[in-house]
Amino acid sequence: GIQVEQSPPDLILQEGANSTLRCNFSDSVNNLQWFHQNPWGQLINLFYIPSGTKQNGRLSATTVATERYSLLYISSSQTTDSGVYFCAVLRGGSEKLVFGKGTKLTVNP
Amino acid sequence: GAVVSQHPSRVICKSGTSVKIECRSLDFQATTMFWYRQFPKQSLMLMATSNEGSKATYEQGVEKDKFLINHASLTLSTLTVTSAHPEDSSFYICSAIGVPTSGGYEQYFGPGTRLTVT
Repeated sequence: GIQVEQSPPDLILQEGANSTLRCNFSDSVNNLQWFHQNPWGQLINLFYIPSGTKQNGRLSATTVATERYSLLYISSSQTTDSGVYFCAVLRGGSEKLVFGKGTKLTVNP
Repeated sequence: GAVVSQHPSRVICKSGTSVKIECRSLDFQATTMFWYRQFPKQSLMLMATSNEGSKATYEQGVEKDKFLINHASLTLSTLTVTSAHPEDSSFYICSAIGVPTSGGYEQYFGPGTRLTVT
């Protein structure tokens, strides 16, 4: 099956810093989503981005489908950005999302 | 829009009893819902896919007689953990697919249910 690798596994930042999270996938995909899992366990949809670039406030994402990777940028990080960021992909013909292992982000005040 | 709710958010039960968890799509019709399990500090593991009006499809290694899934309507799916044991303690999360987005289907997740079996 398709493999999804996220890096780095852990990231510690000072408030105000910028960061880039990476998601590599082993095969072509029809769908790619980025999620933020907050400390209470809720997964929050950040981006639905099978290709191209999107921005939402301090967050932006870019997926280069031909090279099989996606990047999530967080600028001017805040303590509320802490949590685990998951990348998940969907192959053509399937409804099942395949999740990476996540990047645990800690933003210190 | 695209809100998914789960109830209860937290449940503690005794070993041998059954527990039912509800997943509802509040503002859209969900033709397909999914049930995941998440252990501490790990990623989500898909347990089963639930389609309205048909039997759920379980992932390999998931006991269908232990984890009963019923997708009664386009807005409600339930997961019943039967004869629960301490090893069933986990965080259970549902998700739903709604209206197609840009040619694909974006999944929306519920807030999760933390099950503790004593």
